[in-house]
Amino acid sequence: NAGVTQTPKFRVLKTGQSMTLLCAQDMNHEYMYWYRQDPGMGLRLIHYSVGEGTTAKGEVPDGYNVSRLKKQNFLLGLESAAPSQTSVYFCASLRGLGQRAGTDTQYFGPGTRLTVL
Amino acid sequence: AQKITQTQPGMFVQEKEAVTLDCTYDTSDQSYGLFWYKQPSSGEMIFLIYQGSYDEQNATEGRYSLNFQKARKSANLVISASQLGDSAMYFCAMRETGEGAQKLVFGQGTRLTINP
Repeated sequence: NAGVTQTPKFRVLKTGQSMTLLCAQDMNHEYMYWYRQDPGMGLRLIHYSVGEGTTAKGEVPDGYNVSRLKKQNFLLGLESAAPSQTSVYFCASLRGLGQRAGTDTQYFGPGTRLTVL
Repeated sequence: AQKITQTQPGMFVQEKEAVTLDCTYDTSDQSYGLFWYKQPSSGEMIFLIYQGSYDEQNATEGRYSLNFQKARKSANLVISASQLGDSAMYFCAMRETGEGAQKLVFGQGTRLTINP
């Protein structure tokens, strides 16, 4: 059981380049999330998905797009990278449907450190 | 909108002492959940403890306990007998259940340093 994995771990882009971050989970979780963490800050939600084929905007969605074509994968795309998107990106998943919200916590991936020059 | 406030940017504590990390929250929901996460220098997010708004007792997990004061809207994390390995960033988070998505709203974090 790998849990939540993220690819790549590090990336350097030039302004205007595009890239896709891949998040994969092997826990059959319904819900998946993308967050960004800027230096000295907490995590902020970019986009999320409550099931295969669904996506929704979070707190800071501008400049990003997402897709959830398969239940186990959640992709985050940057169409035209900007220096303001330099950050650490975390993916997370949650069991979701069919259970009480209760104590269930989101499971986080190890993060992707992105630098945009 | 829900909000989490952590007013201590940094704390320094002697090893083996107890430490309290403050967290206050703002919500109009009656049902909500509060989480604490640890982020060591390696960067991963580690779940520590959870408190539900209807839980009558304070949550405990080993050396971690949550001092939940609902009327004051505070959910402070208490670490007993601190260890050098407790040095890390600590984040308080609240679960938003709007649209059924169970999103998390995070505070800005507290950097805890344990001195030998």
